Amino acid sequence: AQSVTQLGSHVSVSEGALVLLRCNYSSSVPPYLFWYVQYPNQGLQLLLKYTTGATLVKGINGFEAEFKKSETSFHLTKPSAHMSDAAEYFCAVSDGRDDKIIFGKGTRLHILP
Amino acid sequence: DTGVSQNPRHKITKRGQNVTFRCDPISEHNRLYWYRQTLGQGPEFLTYFQNEAQLEKSRLLSDRFSAERPKGSFSTLEIQRTEQGDSAMYLCASSLGGGQIDTQYFGPGTRLTVL
Repeated sequence: AQSVTQLGSHVSVSEGALVLLRCNYSSSVPPYLFWYVQYPNQGLQLLLKYTTGATLVKGINGFEAEFKKSETSFHLTKPSAHMSDAAEYFCAVSDGRDDKIIFGKGTRLHILP
Repeated sequence: DTGVSQNPRHKITKRGQNVTFRCDPISEHNRLYWYRQTLGQGPEFLTYFQNEAQLEKSRLLSDRFSAERPKGSFSTLEIQRTEQGDSAMYLCASSLGGGQIDTQYFGPGTRLTVL
């Protein structure tokens, strides 16, 4: 069975500071990994995904994530936070059989002025 | 490409009533998914369709829930005899299907409140 653990239900960073959202996964097969963002009253939007190949994945809005198999992690980072980054972020995993995605509980990112 | 649309956006109903939600996927997307999201949780998979065929149902989908996708286009999710525990955001997503982990595009969701 697959699962995702997101460390910290709320994270606050100052505008311009590094954003780091942590995600650890569990999977019995090579995983496909995702980060989605959800703005208030909007649907989920894909930030980035890892399938195979390069372990550092670049996404939209300046976000990137690195797949570390030895640590079973897929942490999301952004060098400099903007106020517009305030949202809820979900890490997710799939085994690739049918696109079914298992989501974490989410981390709400707060940006402090 | 107008994105995935869901109707209604909000639904308030009394316990015991039936409700039906509609999802219109991105045109030419073969796969359609339903998820449920409760407060403080991530989306949980309910069911998905490949064209008109319903291929998998989660154990979360009790007998009171039924989903259809006639003609492989839009889909409906019906909940019969609603309970307060059904209150949640119901999300629909679609993907091209057939590829390796095609990106799922999500709609804005239907928020259900059962009184």
